[in-house]
Amino acid sequence: AQSVTQLDSQVPVFEEAPVELRCNYSSSVSVYLFWYVQYPNQGLQLLLKYLSGSTLVKGINGFEAEFNKSQTSFHLRKPSVHISDTAEYFCAVSDSYGNKLVFGAGTILRVKS
Amino acid sequence: KAGVTQTPRYLIKTRGQQVTLSCSPISGHRSVSWYQQTPGQGLQFLFEYFSETQRNKGNFPGRFSGRQFSNSRSEMNVSTLELGDSALYLCASSVDPAGQGNTEAFFGQGTRLTVV
Repeated sequence: AQSVTQLDSQVPVFEEAPVELRCNYSSSVSVYLFWYVQYPNQGLQLLLKYLSGSTLVKGINGFEAEFNKSQTSFHLRKPSVHISDTAEYFCAVSDSYGNKLVFGAGTILRVKS
Repeated sequence: KAGVTQTPRYLIKTRGQQVTLSCSPISGHRSVSWYQQTPGQGLQFLFEYFSETQRNKGNFPGRFSGRQFSNSRSEMNVSTLELGDSALYLCASSVDPAGQGNTEAFFGQGTRLTVV
């Protein structure tokens, strides 16, 4: 069975500071990894995904993530955050068959001015 | 290109009633998945349909069911509603022609169900 652990439930950060949201996963098979963002009263929007190839993945809005197989991690980073990045971020894993995403509990990013 | 459309956006039902939620996927997408989001349990997978067949199922009781039509539109039904069924129900669609789970899932805005 797969599982995802997001190590921080909330991350406060000042505007223009860098941020890292941590994600660890467990799976007995090859996986695909995703980061989604959810704004209040909205659905989920894909930030980036890792399917194969380069372990450094770049996404929308200046976010990037690095896949580390040995540490089973897929941490999300942004070098300089904006107030508009305030939202909840979800890490998710999918196995090799079907569209069944297993989500972490989410990390609320609060950007302060 | 229209996104994933879920109707209705908000719904209030009484305990014991049943409810049907609708999801229209992006044109050309054949996979539709449903998720339940609650503050306590987070995002949990309900089921996935692909070409009118249920391909994956999560750990929910039989009161939760779904179906997919030939035009890929999907409905989910919850019978004998309980207070704990109050949640945001999200639908996602993806192209996934090979069924490998590696194509982006596009989410709708969800249906907020409140059971009183």
